[in-house]
Amino acid sequence: ETGVTQSPTHLIKTRGQQVTLRCSSQSGHNTVSWYQQALGQGPQFIFQYYREEENGRGNFPPRFSGLQFPNYSSELNVNALELDDSALYLCASSWGAPGELFFGEGSRLTVL
Amino acid sequence: SQQGEEDPQALSIQEGENATMNCSYKTSINNLQWYRQNSGRGLVHLILIRSNEREKHSGRLRVTLDTSKKSSSLLITASRAADTASYFCATDGGEGNKLVFGAGTILRVKS
Repeated sequence: ETGVTQSPTHLIKTRGQQVTLRCSSQSGHNTVSWYQQALGQGPQFIFQYYREEENGRGNFPPRFSGLQFPNYSSELNVNALELDDSALYLCASSWGAPGELFFGEGSRLTVL
Repeated sequence: SQQGEEDPQALSIQEGENATMNCSYKTSINNLQWYRQNSGRGLVHLILIRSNEREKHSGRLRVTLDTSKKSSSLLITASRAADTASYFCATDGGEGNKLVFGAGTILRVKS
């Protein structure tokens, strides 16, 4: 148990819809990172939030956006869903820059 | 794109044998980490080795790092069926604010 919780665990959406994924970080951690993991691949960095500000972004389009709240929990929003967005979305918390990351169990998104 | 590449892609061994996985990366790093993932669930941190370290041990795990060759290896000794999982190396790419993961090695330990 890492103390990082994600919701929902599974969800199904149709192309063009929007989705919000949520993450509660481990107590005491001020940094949240989001990763996308397609089937059979390693996780790919989407972005990181540090003290409510975006602190680095991977090669993802602007329709991927996020928020971090004062309690350091975080949301990942994806607009205009595409079939290729089907993946496991992983949230990881840490104290400052990596460093060891503590991952949640992920949210598996299927886009039909 | 993924910086690290693990080798082999898949490995099947008998319980009690040792398992060795290799990782190569492309840019300079501050540290390299290894993670484990069971059946598409969350990743679990195994070990971190800094760029100025050459070898590190943690229980049955031994990690080596060769920065001149930009490569690392993970050795699991006396493997158990419960070690069956995917193993990923991850580097910070020198940037410090993100980890770049390889595609992973799928390890199967047969009992």
